Amino acid sequence: ELKVEQNPLFLSMQEGKNYTIYCNYSTTSDRLYWYRQDPGKSLESLFVLLSNGAVKQEGRLMASLDTKARLSTLHITAAVHDLSATYFCAVDSNFGNEKLTFGTGTRLTIIP
Amino acid sequence: DVKVTQSSRYLVKRTGEKVFLECVQDMDHENMFWYRQDPGLGLRLIYFSYDVKMKEKGDIPEGYSVSREKKERFSLILESASTNQTSMYLCASSLPYGQPQHFGDGTRLSIL
Repeated sequence: ELKVEQNPLFLSMQEGKNYTIYCNYSTTSDRLYWYRQDPGKSLESLFVLLSNGAVKQEGRLMASLDTKARLSTLHITAAVHDLSATYFCAVDSNFGNEKLTFGTGTRLTIIP
Repeated sequence: DVKVTQSSRYLVKRTGEKVFLECVQDMDHENMFWYRQDPGLGLRLIYFSYDVKMKEKGDIPEGYSVSREKKERFSLILESASTNQTSMYLCASSLPYGQPQHFGDGTRLSIL
């Protein structure tokens, strides 16, 4: 059974600082997704990482994938308040059936 | 932009009732999904569908069924609602082969 763990679960950080959210998963997979959820809103796709060593960047967010370590990171650079949200990683089961297993999410709060 | 529309944002029902949650997408996506989201548990997959009249069980299908009679519409049915089905329900759709899922705004369902 595929398990996906995120840490930390809660993160409070000051504006301007850098930090990293970690996503570990338990079985082989070549596809990993990052989503963002604002309070009371639905999930928005941020990144799709499709191979070992993949790195994608959008603004102050950068995601990477190490399939050998079964680890993805979401790095936040010089955080700003509007990055406050809950971030989820999700992993494809690798059985070709499009089924995703989600982590429990990291609630990020950026303090001015 | 992809639009995934869920029929209700908030719904209150009584135990034992049969409950229908409707989801419609407008981008001709093959795949559709139903999740429930609970605090501390992330998103858990209930059912998904690759095509019209096709359905696959997710991780927590007990107490639920689904229907997909048309490509754009995927319905979740609670056969006999119970209080432990009080939750936020999210519908999603996607193109095949690992494309990211697009989510609706969710239905917050309370079973009294």
